[in-house]
Amino acid sequence: GENVEQHPSTLSVQEGDSAVIKCTYSDSASNYFPWYKQELGKRPQLIIDIRSNVGEKKDQRIAVTLNKTAKHFSLHITETQPEDSAVYFCAASSIYNTDKLIFGTGTRLQVFP
Amino acid sequence: NAGVTQTPKFQVLKTGQSMTLQCAQDMNHNSMYWYRQDPGMGLRLIYYSASEGTTDKGEVPNGYNVSRLNKREFSLRLESAAPSQTSVYFCASSYGPSYNEQFFGPGTRLTVL
Repeated sequence: GENVEQHPSTLSVQEGDSAVIKCTYSDSASNYFPWYKQELGKRPQLIIDIRSNVGEKKDQRIAVTLNKTAKHFSLHITETQPEDSAVYFCAASSIYNTDKLIFGTGTRLQVFP
Repeated sequence: NAGVTQTPKFQVLKTGQSMTLQCAQDMNHNSMYWYRQDPGMGLRLIYYSASEGTTDKGEVPNGYNVSRLNKREFSLRLESAAPSQTSVYFCASSYGPSYNEQFFGPGTRLTVL
């Protein structure tokens, strides 16, 4: 079955710096890759997603890139702010079962002022 | 719109006790999901329901049962709770396979002694 690995598990950056979180997946049939943000004590919320027919997608300070050949995708946050501090989860689902999201183990991002 | 709601918010059980976690959504979504979240493990899919009247196993279904009572409600039952089921449980919903974004409930923190 699908396996999603996420690195690093923790990431500390200075406010204004960039942060990059990387994920790899195992199932070549995966075609949907969302990123969720979970603030402390809150529910996960979708922040950006990408489908396999696109190599990059941007939304203001966040971007996601996808390399299908290498089976990895990354989240990039530029000009980080303290409110970006949270746990970020990547996930993947297969073209054969788009309801079944497999999540990575999460990255705790801390942005220091 | 309340979105996705879950009851209870907190629950403490003794080993062997049973309980049902309730989830409801008012967004007319077709698909509903149950996840558990453990430290360092990310979100793991327990069961999901792609439409009213159907349910399917996720990654970690053992020890759980589900019921899709109607389009709005999806319950998770622990028949004989074990300490290994201590976790935070999230319910989620989405329009369905073509739309993908999952909306999460606030979670239920369950402790099994």
